[in-house]
Amino acid sequence: EDKVVQSPLSLVVHEGDTVTLNCSYEVTNFRSLLWYKQEKKAPTFLFMLTSSGIEKKSGRLSSILDKKELFSILNITATQTGDSAVYLCAVEPNQAGTALIFGKGTTLSVSS
Amino acid sequence: NAGVTQTPKFRVLKTGQSMTLLCAQDMNHEYMYWYRQDPGMGLRLIHYSVGEGTTAKGEVPDGYNVSRLKKQNFLLGLESAAPSQTSVYFCASSLIQNEQFFGPGTRLTVL
Repeated sequence: EDKVVQSPLSLVVHEGDTVTLNCSYEVTNFRSLLWYKQEKKAPTFLFMLTSSGIEKKSGRLSSILDKKELFSILNITATQTGDSAVYLCAVEPNQAGTALIFGKGTTLSVSS
Repeated sequence: NAGVTQTPKFRVLKTGQSMTLLCAQDMNHEYMYWYRQDPGMGLRLIHYSVGEGTTAKGEVPDGYNVSRLKKQNFLLGLESAAPSQTSVYFCASSLIQNEQFFGPGTRLTVL
């Protein structure tokens, strides 16, 4: 059965800390992995990763994929209170007519 | 562009009542999805559609029906609401399977 597992489930850090969120997956045919950020409302797209070893970066956020070990990490440096959110990882199977498979998410709380 | 919109934003139902949630997108996306989100459970896919006139079951389809009569609309129906269906419902759409755009959500309470 295809699945996506995120860890930790929740995390509390102080402003300025660096955090690493993990996402491991088991998918029969892999096409891409996506990261989303969800604050109080709808998830918003962060990154899509398709190739191993190529880092995607946006400001203080970065992500990398390891297709051999079947995982991805999302790094946030110099965290701010505005980074507090649920971070969702999803995997896209390489099979027509199927949907994304989401993990349960990591809840990040950044205290000032 | 409005993106993905959902109607209504909030609703309270009594057990056994029925209702329809409407999702609309103006991005000409082929794929549309309905999820429910419960504490500690993440996003769980209810049903999805890969094109007008087609629908498919997701992870938790029981108790729900969907229709995609027009490309821009995806309806989620509850025929006989149960308290277990109390949740936040999100609709999403995408061109193909990646980068889904989400609606603002509908908070449904079933008493």
